[in-house]
Amino acid sequence: EIVMTQSPATLSVSPGDRVTLSCRASQSVTNNIAWYQQKPGQPPRLLISGASARATGIPARFSGSGSGAEYTLTISSLQSEDFAVYYCQQYSDWVTFGGGTKVDIK
Amino acid sequence: EVQLVESGGGLVEPGKSLRLSCTTSGFTFDDYAVHWVRQAPGKGLEWVSGISWNSAVVGYADSLRGRFTISRDNAKNSLYLQMNSLRPEDTALYYCARDRYASLSGGNDYWGQGTLVTVSS
Repeated sequence: EIVMTQSPATLSVSPGDRVTLSCRASQSVTNNIAWYQQKPGQPPRLLISGASARATGIPARFSGSGSGAEYTLTISSLQSEDFAVYYCQQYSDWVTFGGGTKVDIK
Repeated sequence: EVQLVESGGGLVEPGKSLRLSCTTSGFTFDDYAVHWVRQAPGKGLEWVSGISWNSAVVGYADSLRGRFTISRDNAKNSLYLQMNSLRPEDTALYYCARDRYASLSGGNDYWGQGTLVTVSS
């Protein structure tokens, strides 16, 4: 089973900040990675698939990058509605999720 | 509008069984793989199982293999999860989620609201 490790577990930031979230796989997942945003009481929302392709309707301030076993989600200028928990997911070998990064208000 | 609606959750005693259903609409069901993902209270997401468009490819989380069985009925646009020998640690909100592709290979672009399963005596 591929283990996905996200860091940091919590990130305290201010609106307008540039935010970088990391996800490391226990082996290469060859860009077969997605990122999700989840707010309390809601199901996850797909942000990024294929490591860097934004899903339909996702603002351009969200971007994904990386290769091999190391991936990053960047929010260029954090908006108030972006405070949430973010998960990475690999679908290279079945499916596994990272433990999540909570982005909260500083 | 794409919709996935889970049902079948509830309170069940340890060792008992439960069958979850996911009824879909707004898209051609047999064009897509579908998954079950669960989330224990206050915890992260855990993939449970997935099934390809034609049921030829089925996968389970290593920790669940043997107790849970996924199936689908394309004629009814529905996905199922048979859960046997339930344990307290199976307590979670169970989501149904569509894959972006017909095989289990694309991430999940649409999700239901989930059905809550509570395993307790």
